[in-house]
Amino acid sequence: LAKTTQPISMDSYEGQEVNITCSHNNIATNDYITWYQQFPSQGPRFIIQGYKTKVTNEVASLFIPADRKSSTLSLPRVSLSDTAVYYCLATVDKAAGNKLTFGGGTRVLVKP
Amino acid sequence: DTEVTQTPKHLVMGMTNKKSLKCEQHMGHRAMYWYKQKAKKPPELMFVYSYEKLSINESVPSRFSPECPNSSLLNLHLHALQPEDSALYLCASSPPGTGPSSYNSPLHFGNGTRLTVT
Repeated sequence: LAKTTQPISMDSYEGQEVNITCSHNNIATNDYITWYQQFPSQGPRFIIQGYKTKVTNEVASLFIPADRKSSTLSLPRVSLSDTAVYYCLATVDKAAGNKLTFGGGTRVLVKP
Repeated sequence: DTEVTQTPKHLVMGMTNKKSLKCEQHMGHRAMYWYKQKAKKPPELMFVYSYEKLSINESVPSRFSPECPNSSLLNLHLHALQPEDSALYLCASSPPGTGPSSYNSPLHFGNGTRLTVT
């Protein structure tokens, strides 16, 4: 089953910007790219969603190039509380269930 | 706190027991989901209900039986589970969308039920 691909882990320091890139080479034409954050023993929490170009909200930005084969989640000025696992979701082939399939996620550790 | 409520938060059951997990949302969402998550692994999709009808079953063993009594409630009935079924069971909901936009809406997750099978 095709899934998105992300780095397994990233370390950062408080106040830095963290960029996580997700690969989704065969993304379906009509589908969005969605990012979630998950803390231990909690359900994933929606962060941001986009289709193309750039999307920004109060917590993150999402950059999507024209070919849509990848996307980059940008977390500005991270704090210790941003330590979490970050997942991107996108359909990489046409079965509906794949749209709802989580990739491996990126474990982000923010250090003091 | 989340807008999707799951009960119980923790459940310990023997392999011969029958138990049920419950999920409730009052956001008017018409799609509801069950995911299973093992430690340090991503959530795995189990079932999807759309407008109270089962629309996706990801080849889940029959010892897991979902039920959607109405648009706000989702149950997962458990029977004759194995120790390897121990996991965090997550419920989510979303507006379902239609056609090519189906399931594009962000998912709203509960905080899960931590299930231990002994």
